[in-house]
Amino acid sequence: GAGVSQTPSNKVTEKGKYVELRCDPISGHTALYWYRQSLGQGPEFLIYFQGTGAADDSGLPNDRFFAVRPEGSVSTLKIQRTERGDSAVYLCASSLEGKSTDTQYFGPGTRLTVL
Amino acid sequence: QKEVEQNSGPLSVPEGAIASLNCTYSDRGSQSFFWYRQYSGKSPELIMSIYSNGDKEDGRFTAQLNKASQYVSLLIRDSQPSDSATYLCAVILVMGGSNYKLTFGKGTLLTVNP
Repeated sequence: GAGVSQTPSNKVTEKGKYVELRCDPISGHTALYWYRQSLGQGPEFLIYFQGTGAADDSGLPNDRFFAVRPEGSVSTLKIQRTERGDSAVYLCASSLEGKSTDTQYFGPGTRLTVL
Repeated sequence: QKEVEQNSGPLSVPEGAIASLNCTYSDRGSQSFFWYRQYSGKSPELIMSIYSNGDKEDGRFTAQLNKASQYVSLLIRDSQPSDSATYLCAVILVMGGSNYKLTFGKGTLLTVNP
């Protein structure tokens, strides 16, 4: 079975540009998460979807960041007016139901570089 | 105080030895605990989860949880060079409704020398 997939694997952009990062979760998983990992750090929570709705977006750093999951499957993380500090690996994870005991399976990540 | 703390290492052990990785957490409401392994340039992969005090064994891996001391550890027996990776400790705070958000430590880099 397919795991979590993310595209693109690498994205290089210029400061001020808009980017979209895509996540395709494991089929049947209702819970989807976005995390961000900077060099030498553990992943940091950004947003959690249960189905189509963003149940918790408290980790989004500011209003330049937005994420959607319109059909309860694929999710897109959108970053407007990118800044150099946005450079990081963006990880998507999914789990079966979002319970605390569910395993969160991570995708390979998108490495974003803002020049 | 950071919510989840790990010694960043590097921790270096010879092949065949026991590697001991430690993690402390600040929130007594934490209820679920996980160890993820992350190879360089790859994404985290779950290797152990533990929810109650005591030991949990899975093959060469043993997770130990002590909620009173707010401490969770991972032991790797008969360490192999293929175990060389960064090990991330993660917790979930169940109380307060956010029972889905993993909070990670910085990770401990383990090197197993042949």
